[in-house]
Parts: sequence; C-alpha cells; structure tokens
Amino acid sequence: DQQVKQNSPSLSVQEGRISILNCDYTNSMFDYFLWYKKYPAEGPTFLISISSIKDKNEDGRFTVFLNKSAKHLSLHIVPSQPGDSAVYFCAASAGTTSGTYKYIFGTGTRLKVLA
Amino acid sequence: EPEVTQTPSHQVTQMGQEVILRCVPISNHLYFYWYRQILGQKVEFLVSFYNNEISEKSEIFDDQFSVERPDGSNFTLKIRSTKLEDSAMYFCASSPSPGTGVGNEQFFGPGTRLTVL
Repeated sequence: DQQVKQNSPSLSVQEGRISILNCDYTNSMFDYFLWYKKYPAEGPTFLISISSIKDKNEDGRFTVFLNKSAKHLSLHIVPSQPGDSAVYFCAASAGTTSGTYKYIFGTGTRLKVLA
Repeated sequence: EPEVTQTPSHQVTQMGQEVILRCVPISNHLYFYWYRQILGQKVEFLVSFYNNEISEKSEIFDDQFSVERPDGSNFTLKIRSTKLEDSAMYFCASSPSPGTGVGNEQFFGPGTRLTVL
C-alpha cells in the first residue's frame, strides 16, 4: 500500500546547483505534508512542511511546492551544499479515528551533493 | 535544543526473547509515537500514545507489542517474543499536540537498531 511514493531512490547534484526531490501521493485525504532529512545512524530530522491549503512554503534555501490536483509535491534546495547530502523522506499526515495524526512516509531519496 | 533520546542504540537478542526499547520524549510534549524502518524499506507507523493510553495502532502492532509510560519521562516499547522479522530500526517520536501545522511536527529520536538472531 504505497500511498506516498518517492520514485527516485537517489540523486546527485553539483554544489551550488538546485536539488529537486519529488514525491507523489494517492490519498486525497492527506492534509499536511512534510519533508524529513536523515543522516546515517540518526533519526529523521524535520525540515519543512506545507499545509494542503497552500501551494508553496519557503524556509531559507528550502522550498516545498504542492500541486494538489496532481497529488505531487517537491522539495527544492537552492543552492545545494555538501552538507545537504542525506536521505530525504517525504511524509504525509493522515488523521486517525482517535484524533491523532500518523505520518505515512515515502521510501526516501538519497541526495548526494558533489563538491 | 530539546531532543528525543533513545536507549539502547543497538540491541541484539535471540528469537523468542523479550526486549524493551526506551525513549525519553521532549519534556513538554504530550503525544508519543513509535515507528520502525526495516532495512531498505520505508519508515512505518506502529502506534501513537496519549494520556496513558494507545490512541492509534497499525496492523503491525499486534499482541506481541505493548507500550507504556512507566513514569513522567520514559516511554517504552516492549516486544514480548521477538521474531526474526522484528529486526529493524525503531524510532520514537513526540509532538506537543496531535494536530498538524507549524509547531505540531513530530520530532524523532535517533533510533534503536534491533537485531534478532
């Protein structure tokens, strides 16, 4: 049941260029989307999020775009830096019957920024 | 900066043994979660916990699993009789509230790698 998909397992980008990571989802009930970054031997670290009522959210070098009609979101990193090299997970927030929220994660994209 | 901590970082156990994974959520957070990631697969939700009871659990969270908040700071995941397929990274997370929106994000710990032999 792959409700959140990241079709690119890896991406290599030159330092200073733009990194674009993509994510697709199937469940139209998702109302909040997040990007997490994960380094080896560490837990996922929250990066940026977007509500379904918006189509863009920006935080410094990171911008997330949401296209609800296409059920697609993307993370842009400009300019990319070697320290950005990590695995990036897209997650969608799904409400539950109890009123709490659980995250549905994609499989991740390994970004490598080349110096 | 406050963070979620987990112990141990790596746990090796024999099949059929009980294990307890420990987490200390961020102190002012009220909602707690366990997720797991089998090697090479995605992070999967296991259970959410609030006010000393389970709020939601996935189909993975069967009778072999239990969670507890034994005191004011710890949050534990117990697996009663481990199976080979329980080998995974287990992440604890916490959030101040259950909702979505800025400030309600779930913060994750570094994980415990469980290896079942």
